[in-house]
Amino acid sequence: GAGVSQSPRYKVAKRGQDVALRCDPISGHVSLFWYQQALGQGPEFLTYFQNEAQLDKSGLPSDRFFAERPEGSVSTLKIQRTQQEDSAVYLCASSLAETGGGYTFGSGTRLTVV
Amino acid sequence: GQQLNQSPQSMFIQEGEDVSMNCTSSSIFNTWLWYKQDPGEGPVLLIALYKAGELTSNGRLTAQFGITRKDSFLNISASIPSDVGIYFCAGQLLPGTASKLTFGTGTRLQVTL
Repeated sequence: GAGVSQSPRYKVAKRGQDVALRCDPISGHVSLFWYQQALGQGPEFLTYFQNEAQLDKSGLPSDRFFAERPEGSVSTLKIQRTQQEDSAVYLCASSLAETGGGYTFGSGTRLTVV
Repeated sequence: GQQLNQSPQSMFIQEGEDVSMNCTSSSIFNTWLWYKQDPGEGPVLLIALYKAGELTSNGRLTAQFGITRKDSFLNISASIPSDVGIYFCAGQLLPGTASKLTFGTGTRLQVTL
């Protein structure tokens, strides 16, 4: 597609439930990032892929968070045993490796843990 | 995690007024970016700055990369209702896109007729 597509747009999970959030980057984009945006805050970096390689996962807040991009295109962010503090918008962004500056963000998945 | 300091936190202005907001960091960045985020959407890039002291314009928007590499400002001239939204600065340490962004806390802009 023309933009970065994320699904689902909204997800309500009961505390303790596992969730999986999907990101379809722009076709041909090498770099893919996940960010977490809490209510009223700016996005915070979670993890970065270049093709299928996860080159930086320093922002993942705990070992309950796991991301993968097995074929270098679609990526999935998985959160195990969700907790209330995981409630946030999860943004995915992609870019061509050659371009400088910013990249294209998706509209995000709003996760609410009840 | 680290977030850059943006001011003001929010502002109400009248249509046609000029707007100024800034962003400061305790550490240096080699690229500064300004994004706008509308409700329910992801941030959209407005301006990118690559060199200390650089002044760049994009239509009614003007942004500058501070000499110390620890700050940046964004000006919007002759504001219009569609300028409403949240504006985020972001710093990038490494060149190119293989580098995470550190975002600011945001400035919420509301424009009244």
